[in-house]
Amino acid sequence: GDQVEQSPSALSLHEGTGSALRCNFTTTMRAVQWFRKNSRGSLINLFYLASGTKENGRLKSAFDSKERYSTLHIRDAQLEDSGTYFCAAERGSALGRLHFGAGTQLIVIP
Amino acid sequence: AQTIHQWPVAEIKAVGSPLSLGCTIKGKSSPNLYWYWQATGGTLQQLFYSITVGQVESVVQLNLSASRPKDDQFILSTEKLLLSHSGFYLCAWSSGEAPLFGEGTRLSVL
Repeated sequence: GDQVEQSPSALSLHEGTGSALRCNFTTTMRAVQWFRKNSRGSLINLFYLASGTKENGRLKSAFDSKERYSTLHIRDAQLEDSGTYFCAAERGSALGRLHFGAGTQLIVIP
Repeated sequence: AQTIHQWPVAEIKAVGSPLSLGCTIKGKSSPNLYWYWQATGGTLQQLFYSITVGQVESVVQLNLSASRPKDDQFILSTEKLLLSHSGFYLCAWSSGEAPLFGEGTRLSVL
């Protein structure tokens, strides 16, 4: 069954505001990654976390393996942040097997 | 620097025809290699992974096969395409942490 539940599926933000995307996991995951889809449809790594938090510019991600969730916070959203964001989690039992969330389509409004 | 190259960029194929998609990684020896697939409107799924030449593990059964004939090459193929094979195929490599993705191949089966 589905192991990663990503929310929201769609999000509209006004420029300069912020919000958070969330992924809940049905089981304990070893690590989580956040990606953004580029114009070709490929995936660009944003964060890889085995625990704790990481920050890069206006993005910040957190992962709590015990509580089975991860978040991606966007602050001061800019128009170029619009796009589709995915989380993917890795279980410890299967080498490199990533379980993807369904994605969040973010639209930043001027 | 490591590079990952997928080919072709896009394919339009007839049902029942054969398919071969390729992926080459440069600048890294013995990488872990992965094939992912996303049906239109669907979630990304891992199809295959390989940790060494000649060794490929199947994750999802989709009437596709994969081979790793050389350390830096990963091939996805089938003798007979189905309509359900349409979608976006991504190759990725990793050396333990976050996988890096190729630019993808968009496949339309008619």
